[in-house]
Amino acid sequence: AQSVSQHNHHVILSEAASLELGCNYSYGGTVNLFWYVQYPGQHLQLLLKYFSGDPLVKGIKGFEAEFIKSKFSFNLRKPSVQWSDTAEYFCAVTHGSGNTGKLIFGQGTTLQVKP
Amino acid sequence: ETGVTQTPRHLVMGMTNKKSLKCEQHLGHNAMYWYKQSAKKPLELMFVYNFKEQTENNSVPSRFSPECPNSSHLFLHLHTLQPEDSALYLCASSRPGQSYEQYFGPGTRLTVT
Repeated sequence: AQSVSQHNHHVILSEAASLELGCNYSYGGTVNLFWYVQYPGQHLQLLLKYFSGDPLVKGIKGFEAEFIKSKFSFNLRKPSVQWSDTAEYFCAVTHGSGNTGKLIFGQGTTLQVKP
Repeated sequence: ETGVTQTPRHLVMGMTNKKSLKCEQHLGHNAMYWYKQSAKKPLELMFVYNFKEQTENNSVPSRFSPECPNSSHLFLHLHTLQPEDSALYLCASSRPGQSYEQYFGPGTRLTVT
């Protein structure tokens, strides 16, 4: 079965530190990749997505992610985190097409940024 | 505001109760989803509806019963739940042919006592 693995369960950083959250998936075919974020008390929302083309994807709030096909990875990065980035981050992958595609989520990484 | 609303936001129910969760989307989407989010576990897809037809039931126990009367509304009827069913239940929707870009509601925090 397809799966998504996020290696870091809980990350604590100081403001201005650089961030990299790992994500690996197990599916070998064509995939679409996503990072979702859930700020405290808020709904899950899309941070960035990769469908095709440039493997370096830029999202909102200064986040980016790089798709490395050979490593089955889609790591999330941000050069300098802020206290407001404290949230839970979910990597997700889907394959298949159209209405039959299913989002498979990782277990999430809790990011705590200390001011 | 994502255009997906869920009510109630919090629910406490006994194991013998019957209750329903409601989801409504104002985005013109035709696919709707129920997920279960438990602590320290990946989001679990429960049900998928496309154009009001159920297209996915991810081996969900029958004590959870979904209903999709139209493309804008989705319900999850609950009866004789167990304490381990306590979780955050999320609803999502997507455009036709774009099931991978989903818009989520705020969720209903369910506690089964």
